Amino acid sequence: GNSVTQMEGPVTLSEEAFLTINCTYTATGYPSLFWYVQYPGEGLQLLLKATKADDKGSNKGFEATYRKETTSFHLEKGSVQVSDSAVYFCALSPSGAGNQFYFGTGTSLTVIP
Amino acid sequence: EPEVTQTPSHQVTQMGQEVILRCVPISNHLYFYWYRQILGQKVEFLVSFYNNEISEKSEIFDDQFSVERPDGSNFTLKIRSTKLEDSAMYFCASSHGTRWGDEQFFGPGTRLTVL
Repeated sequence: GNSVTQMEGPVTLSEEAFLTINCTYTATGYPSLFWYVQYPGEGLQLLLKATKADDKGSNKGFEATYRKETTSFHLEKGSVQVSDSAVYFCALSPSGAGNQFYFGTGTSLTVIP
Repeated sequence: EPEVTQTPSHQVTQMGQEVILRCVPISNHLYFYWYRQILGQKVEFLVSFYNNEISEKSEIFDDQFSVERPDGSNFTLKIRSTKLEDSAMYFCASSHGTRWGDEQFFGPGTRLTVL
């Protein structure tokens, strides 16, 4: 079946610290992988995505690499800012188009000045 | 930039009452979805809708749920007789649906509280 396991939170970091949020997945076929971010009071926004093995998605200083051999898609940022405080969701979409997304539990990140 | 909108932002209802949650997907998208997130739990898929019919639904989406696209812009989720356990944040989403790895665009959600 399809599922996503995401690092439990909450995570609290000081500004400019390095961030890693772990995400591993189980999927049939060749899924696409996504990170979504939810700021307080807002909906889920796409942060980055990767559609095939070894692809690296990047946006706003965040990166994640699609690792088929370890079935992982860990989110990283070299230097977090207070404005990065949000909940981060890892998700997968099975092969094909128009399929449901499978989400992880979400990881709450708080960055303190 | 086009976005998915949802109304109301917060709905409070009594157990056993019917509720309708409304969504306006992005206009040129072909697939529409509903998800829900019970507090502290995963975002869960409920249903997807394509070409005016349900294309996929989860075990959660039982007979008390229904979806409709009553006109060219709105997409609704109806819960016929709400239960306490239906209290959750409900997210609408839409996607082009025609390309591999298409992202889904999410609305801000409707918080449903069943008393």
